[in-house]
Amino acid sequence: QSALTQEASVSGTVGQTVTLSCTGDRNNVASYAVGWYQQISHGAPKSVMFGDSLPSGIPDRFSGSKSGTTASLTISGLQPEDEADYYCSTWDFSLRAQVFGGGTRLTVL
Amino acid sequence: EVQLVESGGDLVQPGRSLRLSCTASGFRFADYAMNWVRQAPGKGLEWVSLIRSGAYGGTTENTASMRGRFIISRDDSKNIAYLQMNSLKSDDTAVYYCARNREGHGSSPIDLWGQGALVTVSS
Repeated sequence: QSALTQEASVSGTVGQTVTLSCTGDRNNVASYAVGWYQQISHGAPKSVMFGDSLPSGIPDRFSGSKSGTTASLTISGLQPEDEADYYCSTWDFSLRAQVFGGGTRLTVL
Repeated sequence: EVQLVESGGDLVQPGRSLRLSCTASGFRFADYAMNWVRQAPGKGLEWVSLIRSGAYGGTTENTASMRGRFIISRDDSKNIAYLQMNSLKSDDTAVYYCARNREGHGSSPIDLWGQGALVTVSS
């Protein structure tokens, strides 16, 4: 049972906009910046968002936001290369741990 | 180039120990908190341990289920973080990733990942 809840799967067509969510509680998502990580074919994860900040080299089709206990990663103009597993994580001050979501498999149709 | 490179992954028998290393380059290693995150076959990412920078006392945090068996440490003079894994079980079979936080305390998102080291626990 993951501390953060993500959709198991999301799909979209090329060019579409999709939003992935990450829900926690006041101990984690509501209190700290959320990171989003892309993992393609079980390779090494790559950071694609820190809070609402875009890492260097990540296209600006990716954006992040948060409202209360839910963080979101939005991908606009979906591309075939965006097909991957996406994980969120943040710090939990009650658990004193970095907590992860179970991951969302994004399929580009 | 800014990167993290893990080493030390191996096939090990249940009950034995193994130490993983994470060698950092391209950035001021001492300023950052470092983590180990693992991924069992077909499963999601699971956080294992954190070690803070010297500015935060180099203190550590560990996931409850592995506390006492897994020990994280760092050598800032060599730019290396370690994970000492003791009393290994078959459930510890996973790819172990080294990962950097954006600052020294460890309460920020991870911004840099290594390529992973495979640990297989089997007789």
